[in-house]
Amino acid sequence: AQTVTQSQPEMSVQEAETVTLSCTYDTSESNYYLFWYKQPPSRQMILVIRQEAYKQQNATENRFSVNFQKAAKSFSLKISDSQLGDTAMYFCAFMKEGGAQKLVFGQGTRLTINP
Amino acid sequence: GAVVSQHPSWVICKSGTSVKIECRSLDFQATTMFWYRQFPKQSLMLMATSNEGSKATYEQGVEKDKFLINHASLTLSTLTVTSAHPEDSSFYICSASPTRGTYNEQFFGPGTRLTVL
Repeated sequence: AQTVTQSQPEMSVQEAETVTLSCTYDTSESNYYLFWYKQPPSRQMILVIRQEAYKQQNATENRFSVNFQKAAKSFSLKISDSQLGDTAMYFCAFMKEGGAQKLVFGQGTRLTINP
Repeated sequence: GAVVSQHPSWVICKSGTSVKIECRSLDFQATTMFWYRQFPKQSLMLMATSNEGSKATYEQGVEKDKFLINHASLTLSTLTVTSAHPEDSSFYICSASPTRGTYNEQFFGPGTRLTVL
């Protein structure tokens, strides 16, 4: 079974700073997908960024980028120029290719951006 | 596009009653929908996978007779919590996977907060 681990329960940075959230996972699969989801106080889950394991290039979405290290099974999220609206819970998630498309979530990191 | 709605957003019920939660994909068809449970300050835990026209697949430890799932159409899945008890109080979230989609996407509903008195 796959597991996803987020070792930082809480993080706090000042507005405009850069912050990196850590995520490691364990799997024997060779093809899979990795995701970062944001859950703001409204509790609506929002997809931030995704990465296909077969792609070596790290995914980027505006201020959000990932550092995907397949051999190390690491998938960190970097938020540049952090904004107050980035305050939320962030969940790392794993999905193996094919099959039932189940998402396995990490424990989450509560990120607070301070003014 | 790719909007998922849930109804109700908030429900309070008495212990022993049943509660039905609806999950609808508003602008796409979803062969597969998922039901999650989230306790305060915790992560999402998958309860079951709902497949249109067939029986749901429940995760280990989830009582299928207590959490009834029906996926009668390509845009609607329902979760019924039968004989609810205070320990069933939680935040229930559904997600839908488009029948025609890429990257194995899932789109999430806004969640339903259930409080059992």
